[in-house]
Amino acid sequence: YVLTQPPSVSVAPGETARITCGGNNIESKTVHWYQQRPGQAPVLVISNDSGRPSGVPERFSGSNSGNTATLSISRVEAGDEADYYCQVWDGSSDQDVFGTGTKVTVL
Amino acid sequence: EVQLVESGGGLVQPARSLRLSCAASGFTLGEYAMHWVRQAPGKGLEWVSGISWNSGDIAYADSVQGRFTISRDNAKQSLYLQMNSLRSEDSALYYCARTAGPDYRNAEFDSWGQGTLVSVSS
Repeated sequence: YVLTQPPSVSVAPGETARITCGGNNIESKTVHWYQQRPGQAPVLVISNDSGRPSGVPERFSGSNSGNTATLSISRVEAGDEADYYCQVWDGSSDQDVFGTGTKVTVL
Repeated sequence: EVQLVESGGGLVQPARSLRLSCAASGFTLGEYAMHWVRQAPGKGLEWVSGISWNSGDIAYADSVQGRFTISRDNAKQSLYLQMNSLRSEDSALYYCARTAGPDYRNAEFDSWGQGTLVSVSS
């Protein structure tokens, strides 16, 4: 199972960044999202398509429909600059899969 | 506070073996499934292997199937990854990660270690 993300997204401070994760009928799967700042371990920011773990700002939200899941970051701040990865579990192969990753740049 | 500390990485020659460890603290390891995830330098995340809370269910990525073995010792609060027949493409930072529940399937990774670096080169 392949998850495809755009390599990069650029956004101005205060605007909304939208990061897509494409996969065949991804809406039938549960999508999680991770933020990885340079030199750091990944951190869970969205679970189960749209759940927000404790401590994650409300500016982070997720959705999943059709063949595309989306992570949205509203009112973007400089501190949101990082790599973002989507992840699903593929039941047919019994394997977890990460997306190709998207680098978010705050202009 | 949940803590995961990996160790055991290093420089190893191709075709040799290495065993990684992950020491867990701040929670009861036996209540959670665990995973290994790796990241080659400058590359994305790659899932390697997952193990359920009681070792009853285990899964591997195709790229490591038959060469790597995941295991755990809940009494010692430790997770392991035995890596045999290492190849240059196995060079990466290896993270251990906790699943948000006892089953590794269809669950998010809610805590991560800082990783241990494995370099495979002659």
